[in-house]
Amino acid sequence: DTEVTQTPKHLVMGMTNKKSLKCEQHMGHRAMYWYKQKAKKPPELMFVYSYEKLSINESVPSRFSPECPNSSLLNLHLHALQPEDSALYLCASSRYEEDYEQYFGPGTRLTVT
Amino acid sequence: AQSVTQLGSHVSVSEGALVLLRCNYSSSVPPYLFWYVQYPNQGLQLLLKYTTGATLVKGINGFEAEFKKSETSFHLTKPSAHMSDAAEYFCAVLYGNNRLAFGKGNQVVVIP
Repeated sequence: DTEVTQTPKHLVMGMTNKKSLKCEQHMGHRAMYWYKQKAKKPPELMFVYSYEKLSINESVPSRFSPECPNSSLLNLHLHALQPEDSALYLCASSRYEEDYEQYFGPGTRLTVT
Repeated sequence: AQSVTQLGSHVSVSEGALVLLRCNYSSSVPPYLFWYVQYPNQGLQLLLKYTTGATLVKGINGFEAEFKKSETSFHLTKPSAHMSDAAEYFCAVLYGNNRLAFGKGNQVVVIP
């Protein structure tokens, strides 16, 4: 199984809502990533988890809260988002943080109204 | 600062013609190099990668790329474009701080 899955596929939320994005992989990878991608732009790294510990936070606003409950699962909790946070959120994984090959999920298309 | 340059945000190519997407990077040491493809409303799919060894690498869907250290380039080619090649293509470089740096991308349009 070389797949990274993400749910939901689409999400519309108001600025006062709390929602979560979910990412799962069963490849035994120990590094997991969240990226944000605006339309017609490259992905931007948000967070990196390595062995279930937060390794990198690219100065992301606190309204985004990542969580890694176990080695297969990565969540992104959303609260009090702004319309400019609307984007495609991509999850990726690699065998470990120093590994060069990242496998990407299909993404969650988030719209903040 | 480390950077990846992809020239020309939109690239139009006729069906059956050569596809050439250019990628240049800045680095003082040989990095790991990647090309990703993204179809509309989908995630990124790895086309090919260069880590060490042979400088001409072959990927999926008939694409290949050549690492040229002297030119700090990793251009992507496909001899004959197909309609299904219409997508966004990103060149990426993995630097020593374990971060992927992406180019701005090329939107490839295939003209019948």
